[in-house]
Parts: sequence; C-alpha cells; structure tokens
Amino acid sequence: GQGVEQPDNLMSVEGTFARVNCTYSTSGFNGLSWYQQREGHAPVFLSYVVLDGLKDSGHFSTFLSRSNGYSYLLLTELQIKDSASYLCAVRPTNSAGNKLTFGIGTRVLVRP
Amino acid sequence: EAAVTQSPRNKVAVTGGKVTLSCNQTNNHNNMYWYRQDTGHGLRLIHYSYGAGSTEKGDIPDGYKASRPSQENFSLILELATPSQTSVYFCASGDADRANSDYTFGSGTRLLVI
Repeated sequence: GQGVEQPDNLMSVEGTFARVNCTYSTSGFNGLSWYQQREGHAPVFLSYVVLDGLKDSGHFSTFLSRSNGYSYLLLTELQIKDSASYLCAVRPTNSAGNKLTFGIGTRVLVRP
Repeated sequence: EAAVTQSPRNKVAVTGGKVTLSCNQTNNHNNMYWYRQDTGHGLRLIHYSYGAGSTEKGDIPDGYKASRPSQENFSLILELATPSQTSVYFCASGDADRANSDYTFGSGTRLLVI
C-alpha cells in the first residue's frame, strides 16, 4: 500500500547533528517536501527535492534516493530552538490537486 | 503579506451539533486543503478544492462537508459533530500549477467535541 514512514522521536545534542529519515511507497513520485512544525503551531515549509542526491541549504540538507524510496533531512550545528517535529511529505505522480501525503512526523529533541 | 487565516482558533462543540471551520487565504492560490492532525496519525486529508465552486473528497471525508464559495474562502462543515472528530484542523493553500509548490498552512483550529 501507499505510505510515508518516519521514526517517532529522535534526540540529539546541541552543537551536533540530527538526521531524520523518511521512507515512502507511493503511486509514482513527483517530489518530496520537508516541513518543520513547532508545538502548537502550523507546519512551515523547509525544502523540496525531486532529483537524487544531496541538496545543501546551509543549516540543513536534504537527501533523496528515488530508487530506494528514501530521503533524509540533516540538521547540522544543532541549536535548542531546532527542537520541533519534522514532517516528510510526498507527492505521488497521480496526485490530482497537487495533494501531499504526509508522514507522522519525527519529534526532534535537542538537549544541551 | 500573503497568509492563511483560520477561525476560530479554539472551539468546543456538543455531540450532534453543527460546526463550521473557516479558512481565508490571500495567496491567490487555486488549491486549498483541509487536514486533521492527531497523535499517531500525522496530517490526514479530509477535503480539498481546485478553485471556487469545487470541492473534492480527500482520504478521510466521512462526517465532513466542504464549501468553496470563492477563491479566498474554504470552509469545513461538521453537520453532526461526534467526539471522534476532536482534533486539530489545519487549512492550507497551494499553487496548482507548480509541482514544487509548497503549502502555506493556517495556524490551526483546536476542536473539542463533548
């Protein structure tokens, strides 16, 4: 069946890094997006990838392997304020209305 | 500044009552979406719209109706609210013509059905 899978939680240390994994199985593929959601707030768009490889956006990077149905969001030089949930969302090829299928979200906790 | 505004922010409703959640966007996006977010499920699509006058069923439409009277406004209607519809509801808008279009979300409506 179709789905987007992410781990529930991830803990890391301030100043280090965190890698949030996402695997997907959808009817075709037309791009993958990452969103950040702070507790009690709306999701905010971070990044969109559609080609294989690593996309470096400074504080965070995103990786995609379409053949493996796999992506990750890499957060570097972590700060306490990076503590949030990170949502992976996939747009299937046959997605009428440009609909996104979201994963459950990974709650990242950055500790001192 | 372009935005998506939801109202109300919080709502308590009684079982069997009618609830209307409102959403307004100033992004001039054709597409609008209603999601609910629950612990353990993430964001699930209820209804969406391609433009004024259009409403389409999402993945979990049962118990919900939607209305898109204009480009800017998209409402979610619970005709007979049930406790299982207690959730946080998010409205979003997106550009229909760009595959890489991100969604702009509203701040959410926290609904409690008692």
